[in-house]
Amino acid sequence: GAVVSQHPSWVICKSGTSVKIECRSLDFQATTMFWYRQFPKQSLMLMATSNEGSKATYEQGVEKDKFLINHASLTLSTLTVTSAHPEDSSFYICSAVPGLAGRLGEQYFGPGTRLTVT
Amino acid sequence: DQQVKQNSPSLSVQEGRISILNCDYTNSMFDYFLWYKKYPAEGPTFLISISSIKDKNEDGRFTVFLNKSAKHLSLHIVPSQPGDSAVYFCAASAGSQGNLIFGKGTKLSVKP
Repeated sequence: GAVVSQHPSWVICKSGTSVKIECRSLDFQATTMFWYRQFPKQSLMLMATSNEGSKATYEQGVEKDKFLINHASLTLSTLTVTSAHPEDSSFYICSAVPGLAGRLGEQYFGPGTRLTVT
Repeated sequence: DQQVKQNSPSLSVQEGRISILNCDYTNSMFDYFLWYKKYPAEGPTFLISISSIKDKNEDGRFTVFLNKSAKHLSLHIVPSQPGDSAVYFCAASAGSQGNLIFGKGTKLSVKP
């Protein structure tokens, strides 16, 4: 149980285009999902907290107009990287907290999406 | 300011021996600690956790020890296997609404 999927697993796009990444909880509902970013040999950095039915909460330094997050249902959150630039190339990972009021520390992670912007 | 620190970027251990991965934290409000295992180009996989009311939690070959006074936790893997080779992240959270704060990870290599 507690499986989280991401789609696509990798994507290459041209500079200036937008890319959408989906995160789904396959066998549980999740009011809260998270989006992380990981650069090579670095830790996972939290970008934003995605709450079903409300606006996402962004961490300091993360541009909300550039990284659009939509948590449309209890099993799906999407991250759209708008007007992508090469410096946005990274490994994006989502996670989900089981339940409608689960402990935020109990997160299950997706497999990640490798974004390369050329 | 790094609240969760993994000071050893890498560790090499012989198969069959014990692997000890260390983690230090600075925030005294942290009350829940987790270890994740991560392979390249994959998401982290939950390994084991411990609440601050405990000082030890064991699951098979994996044991996590928590020393609250020293703000230190460690993950012991016994016996180590080549398949354990991965990056291990320590993470902590404060309260039920606290986000996970990750360390930078320690790359474990278990040699046959």
